[in-house]
Amino acid sequence: DAKTTQPNSMESNEEEPVHLPCNHSTISGTDYIHWYRQLPSQGPEYVIHGLTSNVNNRMASLAIAEDRKSSTLILHRATLRDAAVYYCILSRPSLMNRDDKIIFGKGTRLHILP
Amino acid sequence: GAVVSQHPSRVICKSGTSVKIECRSLDFQATTMFWYRQFPKQSLMLMATSNEGSKATYEQGVEKDKFLINHASLTLSTLTVTSAHPEDSSFYICSASPRTSMSGGELFFGEGSRLTVL
Repeated sequence: DAKTTQPNSMESNEEEPVHLPCNHSTISGTDYIHWYRQLPSQGPEYVIHGLTSNVNNRMASLAIAEDRKSSTLILHRATLRDAAVYYCILSRPSLMNRDDKIIFGKGTRLHILP
Repeated sequence: GAVVSQHPSRVICKSGTSVKIECRSLDFQATTMFWYRQFPKQSLMLMATSNEGSKATYEQGVEKDKFLINHASLTLSTLTVTSAHPEDSSFYICSASPRTSMSGGELFFGEGSRLTVL
């Protein structure tokens, strides 16, 4: 079972910031928080990931709550190309990789209004 | 960045035939690859974990004799849908990671292969 919960869908206006929430109340100390997004008829695309501290990259920012039970993906200035399904996922890496499987929840379908 | 490539991107076959989908890691070695299936408007469902040099690990409810997985090298895993039926029509996606440590790095996904069984 997916270990995260997200809203089914969200809307945002173009060129405005978007905050996509994710709850992961059962997160363990070694779980990383990953975000991926999927455009129609494509494989998922990596967006960002983090463990405890907030993270920034060219695509987005990841704000992680102090207790790590929730996180927020921030798109600073949404464009029409950001319309996609966004998945928040927990990943527990291991040296052997064999147990580090990614289980997808339903994700949030983000609609961008022009 | 690291790239995972799938082939074919689209395939149409007749009911009862077998179809092979390839997943390659282009610029890194992957001891583990994952295979997912996605039906329209639904999320990705993990089918199996492909382990180089050993048998794949299948998720509950996935028939291992129907979905044959071979991971013969560190850069190639194949999924064969045997005796395909229309209900096997779906979007199949593979993923792999160059991770070899506890860093929890990103996972890379293929472009997906859309299978249509007539």
